[in-house]
Amino acid sequence: DAGVTQSPTHLIKTRGQQVTLRCSPKSGHDTVSWYQQALGQGPQFIFQYYEEEERQRGNFPDRFSGHQFPNYSSELNVNALLLGDSALYLCASTLSSYNEQFFGPGTRLTVL
Amino acid sequence: SQQGEEDPQALSIQEGENATMNCSYKTSINNLQWYRQNSGRGLVHLILIRSNEREKHSGRLRVTLDTSKKSSSLLITASRAADTASYFCATVSRGGTSYGKLTFGQGTILTVHP
Repeated sequence: DAGVTQSPTHLIKTRGQQVTLRCSPKSGHDTVSWYQQALGQGPQFIFQYYEEEERQRGNFPDRFSGHQFPNYSSELNVNALLLGDSALYLCASTLSSYNEQFFGPGTRLTVL
Repeated sequence: SQQGEEDPQALSIQEGENATMNCSYKTSINNLQWYRQNSGRGLVHLILIRSNEREKHSGRLRVTLDTSKKSSSLLITASRAADTASYFCATVSRGGTSYGKLTFGQGTILTVHP
């Protein structure tokens, strides 16, 4: 049973570029959440997708957008990259909102 | 924004000793979860305690929750070098619109020396 997978593992972009990160949830999970973790900090909630809709959003600008596909996999898109977007981006999946969430290994994004 | 504080920020102990980490939070919660993170990679779920529970055990882990003080503690007994990692508490707020959103603390860095 595959856990949560994310791609790519590492990514280097320059300011102003756009990036797409991908996540496949754990088998049987229908809810995907994205988190941003800056170095030395705890993860911060970006948004959550359920039934292909953004169900909840954290305090992130509209440059951050996402999508969920019918197979429950998800993408995180970030436009007009800033240096401050450099972080570890984590995807988490769950079946029920109030149970444990399973995290992927993350994508390390570096913006130069 | 972070939900609360974790204490201590860093903890260094010898193998075989117990490690205790504390977490405080600000809002009413549905549940509180503890996660471990090795070397800046993905988080591993350790234990979930619901707001109507006071204590929970899982192997060498013991978690307590005091909702009146809005605090929790994680105890790792008989620590091993492999327990070296960052530990995070995360809360899920009470209320129908939280949808399980996790709000994390800043974490405790635990180092266990062989």
